[in-house]
Amino acid sequence: DGGITQSPKYLFRKEGQNVTLSCEQNLNHDAMYWYRQDPGQGLRLIYYSQIVNDFQKGDIAEGYSVSREKKESFPLTVTSAQKNPTAFYLCASSSPGLVTTDTQYFGPGTRLTVL
Amino acid sequence: AQSVTQLDSQVPVFEEAPVELRCNYSSSVSVYLFWYVQYPNQGLQLLLKYLSGSTLVESINGFEAEFNKSQTSFHLRKPSVHISDTAEYFCAVSDAAGNTGFQKLVFGTGTRLLVSP
Repeated sequence: DGGITQSPKYLFRKEGQNVTLSCEQNLNHDAMYWYRQDPGQGLRLIYYSQIVNDFQKGDIAEGYSVSREKKESFPLTVTSAQKNPTAFYLCASSSPGLVTTDTQYFGPGTRLTVL
Repeated sequence: AQSVTQLDSQVPVFEEAPVELRCNYSSSVSVYLFWYVQYPNQGLQLLLKYLSGSTLVESINGFEAEFNKSQTSFHLRKPSVHISDTAEYFCAVSDAAGNTGFQKLVFGTGTRLLVSP
């Protein structure tokens, strides 16, 4: 089945540690996105990538980093510089990335808790 | 820049009653509009979208939404809800006039629909 997978589903981290969230898609989509979801705030865009080896900052990129070495993969690293990292993180993808009508498809999410 | 307002953070209804979840947007250009649904601890699923053409769009599970340009609204309705419709619903907007290849989705803060027996 085609889709987006995110792992792990739950992640616990101590303060001061970096952690990497995985996002993989087999939909052959060009564009991929990372969002952060906090209660009562909807979704906010962290980073997005329209094509392999290229990515752009979203609205709240500080304290996060990404890479896009393969079309299928778009991992997100939450660094120790992120002041309030506890949140639900959602990865999404869309294709082909140049058409404005593209629908974004979402993964199941990773819930990160900083202890 | 676009913005989306979902005034109701929570809407409680009884099973088989009708429901309307409100969504208003602000934009200086033409827009595309979306409704997504999120079940607990899951990702978002596209419920329906308006791109062009008929202003009334429908989903396969009985929801519908009407694009009203003059009122800048895209309210979601269902004539008879089920317990299984309990979820959080997000309205989103994107710029339909852009030519940069990337269309940012702007989300509302969500409305939690609580259906009781």
